[in-house]
Amino acid sequence: NAGVTQTPKFRVLKTGQSMTLLCAQDMNHEYMYWYRQDPGMGLRLIHYSVGEGTTAKGEVPDGYNVSRLKKQNFLLGLESAAPSQTSVYFCASSQAATGTRSYNSPLHFGNGTRLTVT
Amino acid sequence: AQSVAQPEDQVNVAEGNPLTVKCTYSVSGNPYLFWYVQYPNRGLQFLLKYITGDNLVKGSYGFEAEFNKSQTSFHLKKPSALVSDSALYFCAVRDDNAGNMLTFGGGTRLMVKP
Repeated sequence: NAGVTQTPKFRVLKTGQSMTLLCAQDMNHEYMYWYRQDPGMGLRLIHYSVGEGTTAKGEVPDGYNVSRLKKQNFLLGLESAAPSQTSVYFCASSQAATGTRSYNSPLHFGNGTRLTVT
Repeated sequence: AQSVAQPEDQVNVAEGNPLTVKCTYSVSGNPYLFWYVQYPNRGLQFLLKYITGDNLVKGSYGFEAEFNKSQTSFHLKKPSALVSDSALYFCAVRDDNAGNMLTFGGGTRLMVKP
């Protein structure tokens, strides 16, 4: 059981280049998320999706785009990379539940993508 | 708005001693609180959560956390630390006005020495 798989694991970009990070989950989870992790700042939510074909902005969405064409995949795109986007990126997924506690299911994380923009 | 603070960048304990990793939060509605652990070069793993009910929550690997509404705290505890508990620990909070937004603290590195 793979869980949440992120590709690539490492990437170095030059300023202005573009790239796409791929996240795949095999747990049939409805919700998927992209976070970035920077030292001392914890994880900050970039974008998320509550179902196939839907996306929403998180806390730090500028400079990123996402797509959820298939339920199991969530793509994060950088159209024109900047040094400020040097970070470790984590994808996560969670179940959808019914009622008011829909968002309290634990998140399952991938192992991250380390991105350096020079 | 919701926020969470982990006041200690690092906590050092000797193996076999009790450990506490501190977390305080601020929310506008009812809080839902979580602890996650991160081992080197890995993603975060869920430890435990408080949604409602008993203030003492038990989780994975012998960890527990105590919800204190008056002090707005949710400290992580373990009666006897293991060297293998050494990792980065994150507290997270969501309030019932925040939809799907989970806010993480900056993390606390736990070092357990033999």
